[in-house]
Amino acid sequence: DQQVKQNSPSLSVQEGRISILNCDYTNSMFDYFLWYKKYPAEGPTFLISISSIKDKNEDGRFTVFLNKSAKHLSLHIVPSQPGDSAVYFCAASAIKNFNKFYFGSGTKLNVKP
Amino acid sequence: KAGVTQTPRYLIKTRGQQVTLSCSPISGHRSVSWYQQTPGQGLQFLFEYFSETQRNKGNFPGRFSGRQFSNSRSEMNVSTLELGDSALYLCASSLFRVESYNEQFFGPGTRLTVL
Repeated sequence: DQQVKQNSPSLSVQEGRISILNCDYTNSMFDYFLWYKKYPAEGPTFLISISSIKDKNEDGRFTVFLNKSAKHLSLHIVPSQPGDSAVYFCAASAIKNFNKFYFGSGTKLNVKP
Repeated sequence: KAGVTQTPRYLIKTRGQQVTLSCSPISGHRSVSWYQQTPGQGLQFLFEYFSETQRNKGNFPGRFSGRQFSNSRSEMNVSTLELGDSALYLCASSLFRVESYNEQFFGPGTRLTVL
């Protein structure tokens, strides 16, 4: 049972424009969410996180929005750069202290020059 | 600071064999988690070890097992390999902070191919 879903396998965006990656979850107990970026032949690297007490978190060009009522989060990248081309995973967790995270299947972002 | 290292990086086995994968966490990290990544399935949580004890387990058959040593290095073992076990196996390490979520740092993974 996939508790975290990324319904768009791929996304193509022009350089300089906004990239919006979406993620839905079904478990209402999730209260911490993360985004990871993954390049080929490398492990995922942490991008940004948000806890359920917030609805927005920013870090430079990256902003994550959380809509708890809709069980939806999104990652905005503005402006998009060719180096942002990678697979993006969202992940969620419900239990502090325990590193058990549920990941989505990933969205492959292609930023065209 | 050295990152998470995984060995070997690539492995080819045949059905029925067993395999052992190794993970060395970042120095000072005592939690090690293992994930399986297959196309279209994302990362599936296998198990997590902390202080040589398995704290969490995902929904995988008993053929998948792991252990952690006193230096926090971890191994995972898959016995009686099946074709469906072909995947990228990722290891992640993290610090442990009470009552806090802990950012995980991933290794590059071991690509296992079962023929």
